[in-house]
Amino acid sequence: RKEVEQDPGPFNVPEGATVAFNCTYSNSASQSFFWYRQDCRKEPKLLMSVYSSGNEDGRFTAQLNRASQYISLLIRDSKLSDSATYLCVVTPPSGSARQLTFGSGTQLTVLP
Amino acid sequence: DGGITQSPKYLFRKEGQNVTLSCEQNLNHDAMYWYRQDPGQGLRLIYYSQIVNDFQKGDIAEGYSVSREKKESFPLTVTSAQKNPTAFYLCASRIRPSGSYEDTIYFGEGSWLTVV
Repeated sequence: RKEVEQDPGPFNVPEGATVAFNCTYSNSASQSFFWYRQDCRKEPKLLMSVYSSGNEDGRFTAQLNRASQYISLLIRDSKLSDSATYLCVVTPPSGSARQLTFGSGTQLTVLP
Repeated sequence: DGGITQSPKYLFRKEGQNVTLSCEQNLNHDAMYWYRQDPGQGLRLIYYSQIVNDFQKGDIAEGYSVSREKKESFPLTVTSAQKNPTAFYLCASRIRPSGSYEDTIYFGEGSWLTVV
């Protein structure tokens, strides 16, 4: 089993749609969780952190479910500019010598 | 402004040549990472370093080498032993601020390497 697995995508949705991505992780002791956005031929940029209590930023909502070991990202009222690849990132337990682990990314295309 | 600087942004290499990608950060971060990304793929870890003068192999270290002589610098050398080096290379650094439960991760803008 991969350490971090994402919905494979690609997701093609009409403008205004609500779309959700999931990402599962295998290490129950993982410490921090993030969603990153990556535009074509650019570096990933932080979209939002993910907390058990949920985290909302405008049209974006991220959620962590530690019991089931997954994180989710919900995008409401999607815009054309939301088209990108979304990466989930999991950091190791505190003190671990392991590194950041990235999901392979989910590609989203919002269509006019 | 603090950040990570990668150079060059675009690099062309002839087969059989070694090339070095620069990664410099002025964030005072201890941990630094090199990733490779192929078209339509996720990030794969090449090497990482937790502190100065120490580094560890990642998942795809063969054909690559690194050094960490200074905290600010983590250059990556793509050697002639790397058979398929054409890819997008990303450098990152990480810190967990004192008293925080959360990591802060920064990326450089990436370097595109093409073998010609």
